[in-house]
Amino acid sequence: DQQVKQNSPSLSVQEGRISILNCDYTNSMFDYFLWYKKYPAEGPTFLISISSIKDKNEDGRFTVFLNKSAKHLSLHIVPSQPGDSAVYFCAASAGDDKIIFGKGTRLHILP
Amino acid sequence: DAGVIQSPRHEVTEMGQEVTLRCKPISGHNSLFWYRQTMMRGLELLIYFNNNVPIDDSGMPEDRFSAKMPNASFSTLKIQPSEPRDSAVYFCASSPGTIDGYTFGSGTRLTVV
Repeated sequence: DQQVKQNSPSLSVQEGRISILNCDYTNSMFDYFLWYKKYPAEGPTFLISISSIKDKNEDGRFTVFLNKSAKHLSLHIVPSQPGDSAVYFCAASAGDDKIIFGKGTRLHILP
Repeated sequence: DAGVIQSPRHEVTEMGQEVTLRCKPISGHNSLFWYRQTMMRGLELLIYFNNNVPIDDSGMPEDRFSAKMPNASFSTLKIQPSEPRDSAVYFCASSPGTIDGYTFGSGTRLTVV
């Protein structure tokens, strides 16, 4: 059973607009959340993270929002750029060493 | 540092054959993880090691899968016998012990025909 769910397999956004990727989780023991980005033929790379004691973390064009009561987080990218076209994985950890990933959302930035 | 190194990059094998995937973690990283990526299930954690000791192998799908870490600089994931449903991209990752310190290798694309 998927503990981290990304219900949108793909998303297309116009260059310059905001991209919003969503993620839901079921395990209330998760206390740290991450987003990874993956290009074809490469491994995933860390993008941004947030602790459960926060509800927002920002890093340049990337912002992650956490709603613990809804068990929902989202990644906002603004403005979207062509190089942002990739697969984005939402992930979570319950305080141990391991990270549980979702299935990923493929983001297409349209010119 | 050259990052996490996986070999081979691609492997095509016949059903029933033994397959061995290899991983060299980043020097100094004390945790190592094997993941499998498929369209249906995304990135699944198969097994992870801490200081060369297997900590959690609950994600290993069947007894046909086994993993070893004989020393801090090398790990293998073996499938014996392989089946077509094992076809996937297998990733190795290492970490210095911090959750956001994971570094993934480029993966091994396995095709079992």
